[in-house]
Amino acid sequence: GNSVTQMEGPVTLSEEAFLTINCTYTATGYPSLFWYVQYPGEGLQLLLKATKADDKGSNKGFEATYRKETTSFHLEKGSVQVSDSAVYFCALYSSASKIIFGSGTRLSIRP
Amino acid sequence: DGGITQSPKYLFRKEGQNVTLSCEQNLNHDAMYWYRQDPGQGLRLIYYSQIVNDFQKGDIAEGYSVSREKKESFPLTVTSAQKNPTAFYLCASSIGGGNGDTQYFGPGTRLTVL
Repeated sequence: GNSVTQMEGPVTLSEEAFLTINCTYTATGYPSLFWYVQYPGEGLQLLLKATKADDKGSNKGFEATYRKETTSFHLEKGSVQVSDSAVYFCALYSSASKIIFGSGTRLSIRP
Repeated sequence: DGGITQSPKYLFRKEGQNVTLSCEQNLNHDAMYWYRQDPGQGLRLIYYSQIVNDFQKGDIAEGYSVSREKKESFPLTVTSAQKNPTAFYLCASSIGGGNGDTQYFGPGTRLTVL
């Protein structure tokens, strides 16, 4: 069945550092891929998504490219800010309306 | 403003009691979902509904029940049969549940069993 694996956290970086959070998936077909973000005590918000191979999703300086050949959807940002501190979830569409979420990666940014 | 509301934000329950969590959306979405989140973990699907008057079990439906009598409402009941109900519960909705459809989440309800 479909599954998603993301790097374990926590990840701690200094402000303005480069960020990569790895995400790989197992799936049949071409499921849409998502990155969601969760701030403390809140629900999840969509950060970006890609619906087909080689698509690049982007939002708020974050980017991720749908790589079919490596089954990956790594999240990147060139210069992180303290306000980016949150938990990030990689996810993919499974079947019959369902989305499968990764276990989440906690990101902390030091001023 | 369109969105998803969940109430209450914090809920306390004594062991052996049933409790119902509210979820309402005014986005005119057909599909709605309930997830459970435990500390440091991802989301696990409890129940989902693709259309009014129809719903399906997710991965961890035991001890939970739902109804979908109106398009905008999808309440979740945590029954006394749920062995470990203390968790953060998230409701979500999407236009139709198809590949590529974004799920939009409510703010969550934190349930604590005393």
